[in-house]
Amino acid sequence: AQSVTQLDSQVPVFEEAPVELRCNYSSSVSVYLFWYVQYPNQGLQLLLKYLSGSTLVKGINGFEAEFNKSQTSFHLRKPSVHISDTAEYFCAVSEGRSARQLTFGSGTQLTVLP
Amino acid sequence: NAGVMQNPRHLVRRRGQEARLRCSPMKGHSHVYWYRQLPEEGLKFMVYLQKENIIDESGMPKERFSAEFPKEGPSILRIQQVVRGDSAAYFCASSLGDNNEKLFFGSGTQLSVL
Repeated sequence: AQSVTQLDSQVPVFEEAPVELRCNYSSSVSVYLFWYVQYPNQGLQLLLKYLSGSTLVKGINGFEAEFNKSQTSFHLRKPSVHISDTAEYFCAVSEGRSARQLTFGSGTQLTVLP
Repeated sequence: NAGVMQNPRHLVRRRGQEARLRCSPMKGHSHVYWYRQLPEEGLKFMVYLQKENIIDESGMPKERFSAEFPKEGPSILRIQQVVRGDSAAYFCASSLGDNNEKLFFGSGTQLSVL
């Protein structure tokens, strides 16, 4: 069975500083990996996804993530954050293409401080 | 911008009452998914429906929970005789097909059971 661990529940960071949100997964087969963002009072939005190919994936709003198969990680990074990046970030893994197969982490609340 | 609409945003029920959560998918989407997020946990798949059909309810508790997606109107998740452990955020998502790459989420319903 697949599982996802987001090690940090809260990450405070100052504006314009870099940030890394950590995500580790476990699975016995190849997986697809996702990062979603949830802004206050909104639904989850897809930030980026890894399906195959290049292990460095670029998403919206300047975020990127790197798939590391040996470390079973898919950490999310941004070199310089803005106040507007304050949100909850969810990592998700899926062993197939069906939305039923998505397993989500418990989320990381990113708070960008002025 | 007619995204996935969920209502109510917040729902308070006393133990033993019924909770009805509504989800209107994006225009043109006929695939609906319900997920539940318990406190400190990630979203977990509950049920997958297409118009008038339940396709997969493997993630839904066997008792007290039911879901429908009628030909006309929103999808409904019904919880009968609620208990404190049902307190959670319930998210709905929709897509054109059963594809986890193009999933659109609503902003969720926070159910609180007193």
